[in-house]
Amino acid sequence: NAGVMQNPRHLVRRRGQEARLRCSPMKGHSHVYWYRQLPEEGLKFMVYLQKENIIDESGMPKERFSAEFPKEGPSILRIQQVVRGDSAAYFCASSPRIDTVHSGNTIYFGEGSWLTVV
Amino acid sequence: DAKTTQPNSMESNEEEPVHLPCNHSTISGTDYIHWYRQLPSQGPEYVIHGLTSNVNNRMASLAIAEDRKSSTLILHRATLRDAAVYYCILGKGSGGSNYKLTFGKGTLLTVNP
Repeated sequence: NAGVMQNPRHLVRRRGQEARLRCSPMKGHSHVYWYRQLPEEGLKFMVYLQKENIIDESGMPKERFSAEFPKEGPSILRIQQVVRGDSAAYFCASSPRIDTVHSGNTIYFGEGSWLTVV
Repeated sequence: DAKTTQPNSMESNEEEPVHLPCNHSTISGTDYIHWYRQLPSQGPEYVIHGLTSNVNNRMASLAIAEDRKSSTLILHRATLRDAAVYYCILGKGSGGSNYKLTFGKGTLLTVNP
């Protein structure tokens, strides 16, 4: 059973370049979450997506960041014109379909993508 | 969002049980209690979750107070591989379609050989 797959594991970008991080959810999971962890800080929620829909993007920076989860293929977190402050670990998580708020559903994380902006 | 309170750090010896406490006095009736752990340079790993009754799995046990205002994660025999940051999180839902987990600072568990 493959877990949540993220790639690349490590990415180095120069200031001003674009970073694309990919996430393939666990088999059978249709919900994807992205979290960011800055150095020496906790995990911060960024965005929650279902196939072709953004459900909650309350944690996404207003500019330069975008996320998608197309009908086919992995979820993509895109960071345009990266700055040094974007250097962080980006974690993707997935969960199966959630039918009710009482499901007690849990989410499963990937190993993360470490972005370094130089 | 209901918050949780955990000690910043705890220390244990190898082969001994560890009890990691968590307070969540403002928990609502439908909040599940989740525990994750994160080893250095790795993604968070699901440990266990529960609603009202105590729960056991191969990794740990979760003891939930009768009033649900606190819970304890129990590692029955700590190993060096259990050294990690442990997060106690309340699972919030919103109409059944939004179930994000909000991480706090967690408890850094050190296991001594």
